[in-house]
Amino acid sequence: AQSVTQPDIHITVSEGASLELRCNYSYGATPYLFWYVQSPGQGLQLLLKYFSGDTLVQGIKGFEAEFKRSQSSFNLRKPSVHWSDAAEYFCAVGARAAGNKLTFGGGTRVLVKP
Amino acid sequence: NAGVTQTPKFRVLKTGQSMTLLCAQDMNHEYMYWYRQDPGMGLRLIHYSVGEGTTAKGEVPDGYNVSRLKKQNFLLGLESAAPSQTSVYFCASGPGLAYNEQFFGPGTRLTVL
Repeated sequence: AQSVTQPDIHITVSEGASLELRCNYSYGATPYLFWYVQSPGQGLQLLLKYFSGDTLVQGIKGFEAEFKRSQSSFNLRKPSVHWSDAAEYFCAVGARAAGNKLTFGGGTRVLVKP
Repeated sequence: NAGVTQTPKFRVLKTGQSMTLLCAQDMNHEYMYWYRQDPGMGLRLIHYSVGEGTTAKGEVPDGYNVSRLKKQNFLLGLESAAPSQTSVYFCASGPGLAYNEQFFGPGTRLTVL
């Protein structure tokens, strides 16, 4: 069965500083990987996704993520954080099987200090 | 396009009451999903559907039922609500292609007293 671990429950970062969110997955084959963001009181919005090919993936809002098969990781990064990046971030792995189901990590809440 | 919409946005139930949550999508997606979100646990899949008239169990299906009578709608029912079902419920839809990207609704906050 697939699983996702986000080791950091909360992260506090100063505005303008860099941000890295960790994601480790368990899946028996090459995974589909996603990062979603949830602003307070909102639904989830897709930031970026990895299916195959280039292991460095660019997303919206200046985010990028790198797939490292040897480490079973898909960490999310942003070079310079803005106050509007305060949100909860979810990593997810997708099954290449019937239903195209997603398995989510527990989430990382990001607080941005002025 | 409205995308994925959910009705209602908030609801308070007493233990043992029943209710139905409605999800509607206007993107002509084949696949639809119901999740619940609880603190520290991310989103967990309750039930899903791969097409009109089909439903299947997800990770946490107990206490819930679903129906997909029309392609654009996916209903989640609680027949006898319990306090353990207090949660935020999200509906999502996807095109059913290989890359399984899902589009989410705004959520329904349910409290069971």
